[in-house]
Amino acid sequence: NAGVTQTPKFRILKIGQSMTLQCTQDMNHNYMYWYRQDPGMGLKLIYYSVGAGITDKGEVPNGYNVSRSTTEDFPLRLELAAPSQTSVYFCASSYSGQGAYEQFFGPGTRLTVL
Amino acid sequence: GNSVTQMEGPVTLSEEAFLTINCTYTATGYPSLFWYVQYPGEGLQLLLKATKADDKGSNKGFEATYRKETTSFHLEKGSVQVSDSAVYFCALSYTTSGTYKYIFGTGTRLKVLA
Repeated sequence: NAGVTQTPKFRILKIGQSMTLQCTQDMNHNYMYWYRQDPGMGLKLIYYSVGAGITDKGEVPNGYNVSRSTTEDFPLRLELAAPSQTSVYFCASSYSGQGAYEQFFGPGTRLTVL
Repeated sequence: GNSVTQMEGPVTLSEEAFLTINCTYTATGYPSLFWYVQYPGEGLQLLLKATKADDKGSNKGFEATYRKETTSFHLEKGSVQVSDSAVYFCALSYTTSGTYKYIFGTGTRLKVLA
């Protein structure tokens, strides 16, 4: 199993450009998440999904959009990039059910907006 | 509401020193508790977990005990190594209206000197 994969690993955008961060998991997890981590800081939840076709906002959703058309994929869209979106973005997945289920994280996408 | 509070870092220790990183939580019901570790340039990965009161999670020499009476889940290791240098995140998960929610602490950076 590859686990959670993210592409690209690095990206530099100009202000106002758009891009999509890709996230794929092969563990058949129903929950998926997008976080951002600013330098030296903790995680902030952007969006999450409890299954295909169902998404919901986290604590910092402004400037981002998501979709979940399949169990495996959960892309994050930035429509008009701003310097405040410079961060490292992590995708994660987990399984819900009985018991305590850990989140599995991807390696991250480091985004710089200039 | 539910929350996780962990001690501020950075924590700097000499190799073979004893480590404690404090974590306390506020939650209704019976949350599950986790410690995650983030090595430089990587995503978070599960270190250990506990699902009910008095459970002890352990892994790689690290331990934490779920203390309901003190609402704590402190991380300990008897003898740290340089390779333990990382950021450690305490987290809890709970259910609300049938949906699993996760809360991460702000992270504690550990630096171990040879």
